[in-house]
Amino acid sequence: GAVVSQHPSRVICKSGTSVKIECRSLDFQATTMFWYRQFPKQSLMLMATSNEGSKATYEQGVEKDKFLINHASLTLSTLTVTSAHPEDSSFYICSATDRVLEQYFGPGTRLTVT
Amino acid sequence: RKEVEQDPGPFNVPEGATVAFNCTYSNSASQSFFWYRQDCRKEPKLLMSVYSSGNEDGRFTAQLNRASQYISLLIRDSKLSDSATYLCVVTRTGNQFYFGTGTSLTVIP
Repeated sequence: GAVVSQHPSRVICKSGTSVKIECRSLDFQATTMFWYRQFPKQSLMLMATSNEGSKATYEQGVEKDKFLINHASLTLSTLTVTSAHPEDSSFYICSATDRVLEQYFGPGTRLTVT
Repeated sequence: RKEVEQDPGPFNVPEGATVAFNCTYSNSASQSFFWYRQDCRKEPKLLMSVYSSGNEDGRFTAQLNRASQYISLLIRDSKLSDSATYLCVVTRTGNQFYFGTGTSLTVIP
């Protein structure tokens, strides 16, 4: 199946700093990439949908100025958590889809804000 | 009403048992249907797509009932390694994906 990578897999940062997470589709061109957040023992929560070259569409309740998404190419999307706070600590997962409309998930990034 | 609803469980079944999960969706315009499996602290992985005619992959059988707007997943002869959370996913046009909250399964020795 298609491969999606995420980097870093784990990050610990201090409150107030910004963290960038990269999501790459390695062997296919992703028409759309999705960013999810998952708190312990809860389901995936879609944060935003991004299409290459256009602005991301954010879900209700997700602050677009806090979670900056850049989708510069068909194989790369980045999520930047700005001015991170402890409540932003979570498991962030990206996924990518090609024209077949199956989602391929990255391995996730565990963010801990101290 | 949620787009996709699943019984969160947990389902605790003995090894060798047969277990079934259902997932209902609210929008009749939904187009594609999938079951994903998510292990603890890992990303979801596609288990199988769900077709109108139903499909089977080894011990796993998925079915779609468009009239009643639900999909099901049947696991036969449960193994310890089947313990995971099972997510149903429904899509509509324009890359709109909707996830259920997941059903937790624990297979007990």
